Order: sequence, then structure tokens, then C-alpha cells
Amino acid sequence: DIQLTQSPSTLPASLGERVTISCRASQSISNSLNWYQQKPDGTVKRLIYSTSTLESGVPSRFSGSGSGTDYSLSISSLESEDFAMYYCLQYATYPQTFGGGTKLELK
Amino acid sequence: QVQLQQSGAELTKPGSSVKISCKASGYTFTSYDISWIKQRPGQALEWIGAINPGSGGTGYNEKFKGKATLTVDKSSSTAFMQLSSLTPEDTAVYYCARGWDYFDYWGQGVMVTVSS
Repeated sequence: DIQLTQSPSTLPASLGERVTISCRASQSISNSLNWYQQKPDGTVKRLIYSTSTLESGVPSRFSGSGSGTDYSLSISSLESEDFAMYYCLQYATYPQTFGGGTKLELK
Repeated sequence: QVQLQQSGAELTKPGSSVKISCKASGYTFTSYDISWIKQRPGQALEWIGAINPGSGGTGYNEKFKGKATLTVDKSSSTAFMQLSSLTPEDTAVYYCARGWDYFDYWGQGVMVTVSS
């Protein structure tokens, strides 16, 4: 199975700050990567698909990039509702696998 | 709007089985696959398997073969997952999500607790 390593596991940040979360795959996944946000109540929302396509309705402060084995999610200016867990998912190779998650917390 | 409404929390005993549901609305149920995903506290999400509601065809992560069985009821637009021979390691939140590998919409999750 493809392993996805997210870093950092915890990211303390302030309102208005720009942050970046990394997701590294154990082999090339050819841009077959999505990003998800999970709120404390368990609600999960897809933010970005195919590495860089923003889901409809997701604020433009979210962006994704990457290629090969290295991918990232950036938030340009943190707002209060952005503090949550973030997960990457690869679907290049069966079975689909998720990263271990990054907790974005208020500093 | 697309919604996936899951059944309520379950408390079960080791060795038993449990069947949880995921009712879809806001789209044509038979046109999109449904996946199931496991989340144990402090651990990564795991894809269990998926089902095509139109054909009934299924695919499972090797790790969950023999543990999970996926079915659907087209008349009620509901997907089901049965977990068998439960152990404490099956204690987790289980999500349904639309899609075989892209998971664009998710249910709210169901907590399954296995305890004697």
C-alpha cells in the first residue's frame, strides 16, 4: 500500500497567518491526491481534488499544489473556522490511503 | 443537496455483528458508488471498501475482507455495512462517503463501540 506522510502532525498558528501542510507519498501518485477537512464534531468536507482543484464553495484562501511524491495544502490567511484536522488522500493505487492527519490549532 | 445520513451509535459485544446504514438523498443513488471508511481514535483513516448501488458490485481493502460486508437497498436509497466477529479493535467511527476513490460527500459518521 502507498504510505502518505503528513507534516507537521500539529501546527500551531495565529489568525491571519499563512500556513502550509505537507503530504509525502511513498511512491509517485501522479496528482491523484485530495485534501479533506474534519471538524471536531466529525464533519468531513472535501476541500481540494486532483491536487489543485478547489471544491465548489470552498474559500479561495485554500490552495493545493504538488507533483510526483510531494504535495501541499496552503491556507493564505487563517480564519477561525479553519482550525480543524486536515487529511490527504491518494487514489492513484488501490487501496486508497490517507495521511495521518495534521491538527491545525490556535496558537 | 447531496446528503448521506447515517444510523445511530452502536454498543456491541465482542464476537457479535453489527449492521450500520447510510441513507442517500439529493442525487440518483444508483449513479454513484458508496465507500465506507474507518477512523480509530488517533489513527489514520482507512478505506474499507465500496459498492456500486446500480450493479451491487463490491470491492474491499484486503485488510477488511471477511470483516465487512457491503450491501444496498435501492428502493430506499440506503447502503449498509455489516461488521462481523467484532473485537475491541473494531471500535471506531465509521463513515460512508460517495465515490469509489474520490469521496466528495461524507456522512456524519457512526460510533461503534465493542465492549463486554
